[in-house]
Amino acid sequence: DIVLTQSPGTLSLSPGERATLSCRASQTVSGSSVAWFQQKPGQAPRLLIYGVSTRATGIPDRFSGSGSGTDFTLAIARLEPEDFAMYYCHQYGSSSQTFGQGTKVDI
Amino acid sequence: EVQLMESGGGLVKPGGSLRLSCVASGFTFSSYTMNWVRQAPGKGLEWVSSISITSSIFYADSVKGRFTVSRDNPKNSLYLQMNSLRAEDTAVYHCARVGTPFFNNGWFDPWGQGTLVTVSS
Repeated sequence: DIVLTQSPGTLSLSPGERATLSCRASQTVSGSSVAWFQQKPGQAPRLLIYGVSTRATGIPDRFSGSGSGTDFTLAIARLEPEDFAMYYCHQYGSSSQTFGQGTKVDI
Repeated sequence: EVQLMESGGGLVKPGGSLRLSCVASGFTFSSYTMNWVRQAPGKGLEWVSSISITSSIFYADSVKGRFTVSRDNPKNSLYLQMNSLRAEDTAVYHCARVGTPFFNNGWFDPWGQGTLVTVSS
């Protein structure tokens, strides 16, 4: 199985700052098959990015995804108060799909 | 509106069984691969199983041989039969649709709110 390692575990920032979250795969993810999710306590995950860099419907353009091969990044250009949450990367390029362990973005 | 609604969770003893259901609405259920994803309390997301439109099925190693996924397209329903349950299966179980019809794999969108399964004596 492909292991996804997210870093850092926690990112402590202030509103208006830029956040950069990393997701590293143990082997090449095929077909640009990486997505990013945001999750707040008690809620289901919300799709932000799919196909490495395509924003989901309704996602503000301050969210952007990039990367290839084994290294992927989610950037949040200017943090809004509602962006403080957990973020997970997900690879769906293999039949055995996996998630990263998550990065918490907090104040 | 596209919606997924899970049910069937509850408290079960180790070694017991439970059957989860997920009812879909707002889209052509038969055209989409469906998935189960779980989240243990305070932990991250873990993919559990997927079933394609042709009923190609895959499982995480942690549940293989104990869990069985199925779908009933006329009832717009997805199921997860869970047997030989263990304490480590305690989690909120979400069903999730892939984002694009007719694909075996894909990003997950949308997700249901989940149903809590607690395995404890």
